[in-house]
This record gives sequence, C-alpha cells and structure tokens, in this order.
Amino acid sequence: EIVLTQSPGTLSLSPGERATLSCRASQSVTGNYLAWYQQKPGQAPRLLIYGASGRATGIPDRLSGSGSGTDFTLTISRLEPEDSAVYYCQQYGRSPYTFGQGTKLEIK
Amino acid sequence: QVQLQESGPGLVKPSGTLSLTCAVSGGSISSENWWSWVRQPSGKGLEWIGEIYHGGSTNYNPSLKSRVTMSLDKSKNQFSLKLTSVTAADTAVYYCARDYTEEGGLYGLDVWGQGTTVTVSS
Repeated sequence: EIVLTQSPGTLSLSPGERATLSCRASQSVTGNYLAWYQQKPGQAPRLLIYGASGRATGIPDRLSGSGSGTDFTLTISRLEPEDSAVYYCQQYGRSPYTFGQGTKLEIK
Repeated sequence: QVQLQESGPGLVKPSGTLSLTCAVSGGSISSENWWSWVRQPSGKGLEWIGEIYHGGSTNYNPSLKSRVTMSLDKSKNQFSLKLTSVTAADTAVYYCARDYTEEGGLYGLDVWGQGTTVTVSS
C-alpha cells in the first residue's frame, strides 16, 4: 500500500498570500495519478486537481498542482477567506487507493 | 449534471450488516466509470473502501475486503455497499463518489454524494 504523507499539518496564512501544500508518497505514484481535494466542515470533499496537475471543472487558476513520482505540491495563490479548509491528496494509480492525512489551511 | 445521493439506516447494531445505497441521477450508471465508496470517522481523514465498475467488476481495500460487497442495480440506476460484522470502528460518514474515466484516462473522484452518517451501537 502506498502511504501518502502531507505537510504541514496546519498552515496559517493571510489573505493574498500563497500556500504551498506538500504530499509525499512512500512509492512512486503510478501514472502520476495523484488528486487533490478540498473539504470544508460538514461538506463532502471536492475534487480540485487530477493527474497531479490537471485542474478540475470550475477550479480557478489560482490553484495549481505539480510534481511527479513521489513528491507532489498543491499551490494556492492569492489566498481568499473561502480557501479555509482541509486539503487531502489521494493516489489512485495503484489499489488500494490511499489518501494523505490532510493539511488544514487557516486564513487569518 | 450527475448527482449522487446516499441512503440507508443511520444506526446499525454491533456484529450486524451495514447496507447503503447510492442513487445516481443526471447520468447513467452504465457509463464507463467506476463507482466508489469512501468513509470518514468523525474528526478524522478519508478512507477508500472500494469501487465497482459499470460491468460489475470490483476492487476492494484489502483492509476491509473480507467484509465488503458492492453491487449495481442498473434498473434503478444505483449501486450499493454492504459491510458485515460491523463494530464501533465502522462508525463514520459514508460517501459514494464517481471515479471518472474517459477514453482510458483516470480523473479522480469528481462527483460526490453529500454523505450519510452511520453509527454502530447497541
């Protein structure tokens, strides 16, 4: 099973700043099938990024994904209060598909 | 626009069977996609339970494989999850989701249900 480790656990930034979230895999992610999800309290997760760098429908270009192999990054530019949420990475290239433990992003 | 809606008992007794259904609207369950279940204990992270293909093939998380069964009902455009021998550790919000596939490409879990809370307690 591929273990995904996200860092940092919590990130506290101000509006307008840039957030950099990391996801490191214990083994190379097959096909770079790495997704990022945003989850707000009481809501289902929402797909942001697929295939490491593809932006899902309706996701603004302030959000971008990068990386390959075992190291992946989600970057959120020009932070807005609505970006406050928990962000999860998931690899879906090799079963069992696994999620990281999440990064909580707080907007001051 | 595809939408998913989970349904099922909110309370299951220990050692019993958890049964949930996910109704698909705005699209066909027979389309070329996998259909997944994910769960989330309160205050914790996400756990992938497994998925079922429109043709009926399944792929389960080995940690739950001995207790999980997924099925499709094409006549009702829905898919289901059964989890047997449940314990308090199975208490969670259960989500169904579409694992979008197109022309052999994989695009992640792009549509999610709102989630349903299942509590295992006597």
